[in-house]
Order: sequence, then structure tokens, then C-alpha cells
Amino acid sequence: GQQLNQSPQSMFIQEGEDVSMNCTSSSIFNTWLWYKQDPGEGPVLLIALYKAGELTSNGRLTAQFGITRKDSFLNISASIPSDVGIYFCAGSQGAQKLVFGQGTRLTINP
Amino acid sequence: DGGITQSPKYLFRKEGQNVTLSCEQNLNHDAMYWYRQDPGQGLRLIYYSQIVNDFQKGDIAEGYSVSREKKESFPLTVTSAQKNPTAFYLCASSITRLVQNQPQHFGDGTRLSIL
Repeated sequence: GQQLNQSPQSMFIQEGEDVSMNCTSSSIFNTWLWYKQDPGEGPVLLIALYKAGELTSNGRLTAQFGITRKDSFLNISASIPSDVGIYFCAGSQGAQKLVFGQGTRLTINP
Repeated sequence: DGGITQSPKYLFRKEGQNVTLSCEQNLNHDAMYWYRQDPGQGLRLIYYSQIVNDFQKGDIAEGYSVSREKKESFPLTVTSAQKNPTAFYLCASSITRLVQNQPQHFGDGTRLSIL
């Protein structure tokens, strides 16, 4: 099946730093979603994007739907310890099925 | 509280056994989904159902079966034909009737291991 190319695969940062990760695809998507997963739990929705060029914020998180509809990025500003986890992008082409990236594992040094 | 409940949290299977993972939602969502997650990888779709008594295969349906007899419930059976069943299984649900592309919301998963 399709997959999204998510990068970086892992990040090691200091508390307080900003974080940026992205997802790219060779296919066009109508919806981009960003999820966070803590160990042993299910993914939790962070941000949903529905329109090309859309820029949406949720607290310290900002995500954008790329203008070509083939990419999306997620930024986290002023990272804190509870931001640790795995971040997944997911795209939908309108048939209620999602395609997931392989995840970005974020580790924060206090 | 509204949400998606998966049970059990941990499950062990002997060789040659079928096991069934439970997923129940009280969100009144139409669509339900099962995903498999392996270490260091993203989620892969096993089966999904957009309406009661109907379901479709996802990308990795071989060795799995599902049923959707009630809107609230979408159990997944891992059959003995699935040769590598050890994984983290996630159930999700979403609204489909009103607007397309509604986000999927996930349960907390079931970790299946082989004895």
C-alpha cells in the first residue's frame, strides 16, 4: 500500500528548543492529520488540515497543508518534557482510509 | 465518558489458536477500523467498516477476520493463518455520514504476543 515519507525518523533536542518535522508523498491528499502517540497508548489527534495552504495552530503546535497537496509539516515551539513521544502524519484521499507516515520519535533532554 | 474501548490490553496466543480482540465505541460513529503497528513503523490498515454488516479489506487483511453486527462493535479475529501475529493492534472510528474526511479517533490498543 501507499506510504508517506516522514522525516526525521528521530530527534534529540534540549528542552525549550523548537521542533520541525514533515511528511511528503508522490500522491495528492485531500486531508492531512497529525497524531501523537505515547508508549503503550493509541495515537491522539493533534491537528487536522483540510485545505491546501492552510496553516493551523493548536497551542504551541503549528501545522501546514502544503500548497501542492503532497506534503505537510508540523512545528512545535518551546518544547517541554511532555512533548516526548512519537508523532505521526496521516493523509486521506477522501475514501475514509488513512495512509500513515512511519513516525518521528521525539526525545527531549531536560 | 464517550470513547473507544479496546480489550484486553494484553493478549497471549498459543501456536494454532484463533484469538479475538474487542473494540467498542459509544461515539455514534459510523466507520470503524483496525490497524496493526509493528515496532518503529507506522500503522497499517487491516480491515475497515463504513456501515453495519459491511466491511472491506485493508492492506494486510490476510490471516484476519472481522464482523460488524452492531454499530458500536467491531471485533477482530487473528486466525492461525496469520503467521506473524505479534504486534500492537489499534482500533479507530470516525464519522462518515455528514462530512467527508473526518479524523479517526483511536482506542488505547491491544498488545498481542505469541507464547
